[in-house]
Formats: sequence, structure tokens, C-alpha cells
Amino acid sequence: GAVVSQHPSWVICKSGTSVKIECRSLDFQATTMFWYRQFPKQSLMLMATSNEGSKATYEQGVEKDKFLINHASLTLSTLTVTSAHPEDSSFYICSARDARYQETQYFGPGTRLLVL
Amino acid sequence: SQKIEQNSEALNIQEGKTATLTCNYTNYSPAYLQWYRQDPGRGPVFLLLIRENEKEKRKERLKVTFDTTLKQSLFHITASQPADSATYLCALGSGNTGKLIFGQGTTLQVKP
Repeated sequence: GAVVSQHPSWVICKSGTSVKIECRSLDFQATTMFWYRQFPKQSLMLMATSNEGSKATYEQGVEKDKFLINHASLTLSTLTVTSAHPEDSSFYICSARDARYQETQYFGPGTRLLVL
Repeated sequence: SQKIEQNSEALNIQEGKTATLTCNYTNYSPAYLQWYRQDPGRGPVFLLLIRENEKEKRKERLKVTFDTTLKQSLFHITASQPADSATYLCALGSGNTGKLIFGQGTTLQVKP
């Protein structure tokens, strides 16, 4: 149990385009999902907290107009990187918090984004 | 500001030995601490959670200790195997938000 999927697993796009990444909890309901970014050999940096049915809460320094988050249901959150630039190239990982065991987060496999 | 430090260097040990990883933190009072395993190009996988009022937790070959006075957690893997080779992350959490703060990770290499 406790499986979180992400789609796509990797994406290459041209500078200026927008990219949407989906995060799904497959066998549990997630009232809260989190979006992280990880650069090579660095730790996970929390970008935003996504709560079902409400606006996302962004961490300091993260542009909310650049990284659009939508949490439309208890099993799906999406992250859209708008007008992507090469510096947005990174490994994006989502996690979902099981409503029953709120201290534990289950992570997706990650999405590698390369902006040319 | 909040700071989490893990073993800064990679840890190399021989198969069968016990690996001990360290997580130290400052300027923070976590309600719980978690350890994750991360393989290259993959998302972290949850291993263990220990709460502030717990001293030790065990799960199979894994053991975690939590000393809130020293502000330190130790993560032990006994009878290590080459398959244990990965990066191990500690993460601190508190409150109801569920937000976690991650350390930079320690890369463990178990040699046969």
C-alpha cells in the first residue's frame, strides 16, 4: 500500500514552454501533498504545501506564479512550471500525507525536467 | 535559522558490519524525526519515524535513537549488505502542517 505515482517520469522541453507534472496517491486519500525540488547531490527543498480544495502555501523564495499548484481531489495534485527556463531544470518530487497517519509522507518516484 | 547536518562525507563499510549515520540539528524542536532511503534518480522511501518522547525504535536490521537534549539522532543498520548502499536522509517535522525539513543526506556504500 501507500503508493504515490508521478507523471511524467522525465520531460525535455524548450525554454518558454509550460510543463505540467501530476502526482497521484493510488491507494489512499491525501488531504495534503507536498512538492519538492532536488538539485544534484543536494537535499530535498520544499517548494509548497498543497491542500485539497484550497490554495497552495508556498515556501519563501518560491514564485507562486511560476509554479502553479492545483489539488483538485484527494488523490491528485498537479504542478505546472510556467514559462520554463534552463535554471528550472531539476528533479521534482511530490509526496502525499495519508489522512490516517499524518506524520508520514509517501514520496513519488520523481520527475526529471530538462529545459533546453 | 534551522539547520540539519548529517555525516558530511560518504560512509564506506564492509559487508556484515554495522553502519551508523548521524543527524544533528540546531534551532529547532521537532515533534518527530524520520529517516528515508533514496536511491539515485528515485524518490525517498520512508524507513522509520521516532517521536520526541521516544528514545529508540527498531525495525528488522534498523535502529534509530533520538536524543532531544543532544539534538541528535543516530541511525544504525546492522549486518549491512551491499543492497543497503544508498543515500539516507533524516527529516524533522512538527506541528500539524506535516512539513518536513530534510538534511543533505549521507551516502552509504557497503562493500562485499
